[in-house]
Amino acid sequence: QKEVEQDPGPLSVPEGAIVSLNCTYSNSAFQYFMWYRQYSRKGPELLMYTYSSGNKEDGRFTAQVDKSSKYISLFIRDSQPSDSATYLCAMSITNAGKSTFGDGTTLTVKP
Amino acid sequence: SQTIHQWPATLVQPVGSPLSLECTVEGTSNPNLYWYRQAAGRGLQLLFYSVGIGQISSEVPQNLSASRPQDRQFILSSKKLLLSDSGFYLCAWSVSEFSGNTIYFGEGSWLTVV
Repeated sequence: QKEVEQDPGPLSVPEGAIVSLNCTYSNSAFQYFMWYRQYSRKGPELLMYTYSSGNKEDGRFTAQVDKSSKYISLFIRDSQPSDSATYLCAMSITNAGKSTFGDGTTLTVKP
Repeated sequence: SQTIHQWPATLVQPVGSPLSLECTVEGTSNPNLYWYRQAAGRGLQLLFYSVGIGQISSEVPQNLSASRPQDRQFILSSKKLLLSDSGFYLCAWSVSEFSGNTIYFGEGSWLTVV
């Protein structure tokens, strides 16, 4: 069993829809939770970062962490065609260690 | 500001040939450096991790090796490529800080072994 499981997708939504991307994990020691966005044939870029449980909002993006359920989510409001990309969740135990990545969910937002 | 350069961007190599991918980071000192591989439609697999010059941790046994000859230089090598080595190779760096282990990726190198 993988340490991090990510909803595989692919996901296709109309422009303006609310998108929910999810990951579960098995290692209760994870404390740092990240979401990366990867456009086709490019390196991933950090989108959101959260420490421990709670919510964090940045514009149209909201990251949620529920450590009791070992479940994290990324919500995208008013989705745009430019949001079409692969989204990767990542987690680490410390702020000095390696991150474990999910396999990614590919999102397509149709105009 | 910090930047990461990775090259070559694309290469096609025959089975059994050697490989050298290079990565340099600018604008920071003593970064943690990483080599990841991403197979088509798959997640990121950590290959090597380095916390300093000459300090390399291998995560996956394979015919690849890594070296860190300078503080901000990381090299991925192979003496003889296999077909299974094809994929998207990403160099990345991070700096331990309170805001978390944020990893910054390069643009990647597409390797096709034929």
